[in-house]
Amino acid sequence: DAKTTQPPSMDCAEGRAANLPCNHSTISGNEYVYWYRQIHSQGPQYIIHGLKNNETNEMASLIITEDRKSSTLILPHATLRDTAVYYCIVHNNAGNMLTFGGGTRLMVKP
Amino acid sequence: DTEVTQTPKHLVMGMTNKKSLKCEQHMGHRAMYWYKQKAKKPPELMFVYSYEKLSINESVPSRFSPECPNSSLLNLHLHALQPEDSALYLCASSQDFRIPGELFFGEGSRLTVL
Repeated sequence: DAKTTQPPSMDCAEGRAANLPCNHSTISGNEYVYWYRQIHSQGPQYIIHGLKNNETNEMASLIITEDRKSSTLILPHATLRDTAVYYCIVHNNAGNMLTFGGGTRLMVKP
Repeated sequence: DTEVTQTPKHLVMGMTNKKSLKCEQHMGHRAMYWYKQKAKKPPELMFVYSYEKLSINESVPSRFSPECPNSSLLNLHLHALQPEDSALYLCASSQDFRIPGELFFGEGSRLTVL
């Protein structure tokens, strides 16, 4: 699976959009980009995933660059409950398992 | 029901004890996973079961022994653990190991080895 690079921490004001970047420059054509988050003392929670196209669901939007070497997770209106560690994960079809990197610790502040 | 249930939530054991962690899901998923998470670190994959058969063992020491009695249950038997094995143990499930898709995680079992 391709390696990902994320900033270790970010702050965001409550009500504003949180934009979390992820670099995955070695991604190959059949690898998906997944985002999970882990709120303190809970299990990781799936947010969204994509292959080439931008994706949106009720939680977030995923923007993948045209060359697929980076992506951005957007939480459109961050709330205090969005404070968590966000993991960007790239994996291919050779087994549906996740290899977690360091993640970004997002702190949403009032 | 989209839950993965793990018991116990907390476990304290001595190095000579034998204990088990349990995980249950009723979503009809055929892949189940054990992850280990140390404090302030990301989860690390330990084992993967696919259709009740062990598919992946990430070189986990034999003092951890997984078991999948049926498609809904996953156990992790613990014996002769070391203090450095203290961690949060996370169970997850997905529809099928061969198909990319969402992993559903439980809340974890927090293990302390004295």
